[in-house]
Amino acid sequence: DTAVSQTPKYLVTQMGNDKSIKCEQNLGHDTMYWYKQDSKKFLKIMFSYNNKELIINETVPNRFSPKSPDKAHLNLHINSLELGDSAVYFCASSQESGRMETQYFGPGTRLLVL
Amino acid sequence: AQKITQTQPGMFVQEKEAVTLDCTYDTSDQSYGLFWYKQPSSGEMIFLIYQGSYDEQNATEGRYSLNFQKARKSANLVISASQLGDSAMYFCAMREGFFGGAQKLVFGQGTRLTINP
Repeated sequence: DTAVSQTPKYLVTQMGNDKSIKCEQNLGHDTMYWYKQDSKKFLKIMFSYNNKELIINETVPNRFSPKSPDKAHLNLHINSLELGDSAVYFCASSQESGRMETQYFGPGTRLLVL
Repeated sequence: AQKITQTQPGMFVQEKEAVTLDCTYDTSDQSYGLFWYKQPSSGEMIFLIYQGSYDEQNATEGRYSLNFQKARKSANLVISASQLGDSAMYFCAMREGFFGGAQKLVFGQGTRLTINP
């Protein structure tokens, strides 16, 4: 009964490949996020969806495309992978009710681009 | 400008001692929220505690408490009676605004806490 799950947990791939990371939450939340944690452990927001609508789109290369088929899922597709894309990608979710709601994170996907 | 600053890259504490992890923030909003997350070596991000800007009392959750000093814009995490399992990276984060829709978390650089037996 994992609250926020991500697959795969580890992803090793060659430069230039296209890959996807999947995220699912069973908390009934209406908002989901993608964060990137770099090699120095710095965490930064990439995208956010609220009820399948893109709400936050930070300065992220066009090679990154999020897709939310429904409220419980937010996937991240990355085209033409580059060495600098190596990082840990975290999915998170929250219930945006107008109050300051807590974001709950998935276990992370460790992406290594060779 | 850095919105969240954690000035302690690393801290070493003896088991059973209390520890304070520093966090200062910068915002011009009246409504904001401050969060602390723990990231153990296994890598997951674990929510610990939340403090709202309008909350008059300092937040507490078990052994965790948040020393919120609004005028100084600081939100330090206090862990009482530290345990070996507390060894981890700790991140302070802020959200601005109370309105609906997605509100992003802005994170500090993190503090690596090591508890010595």
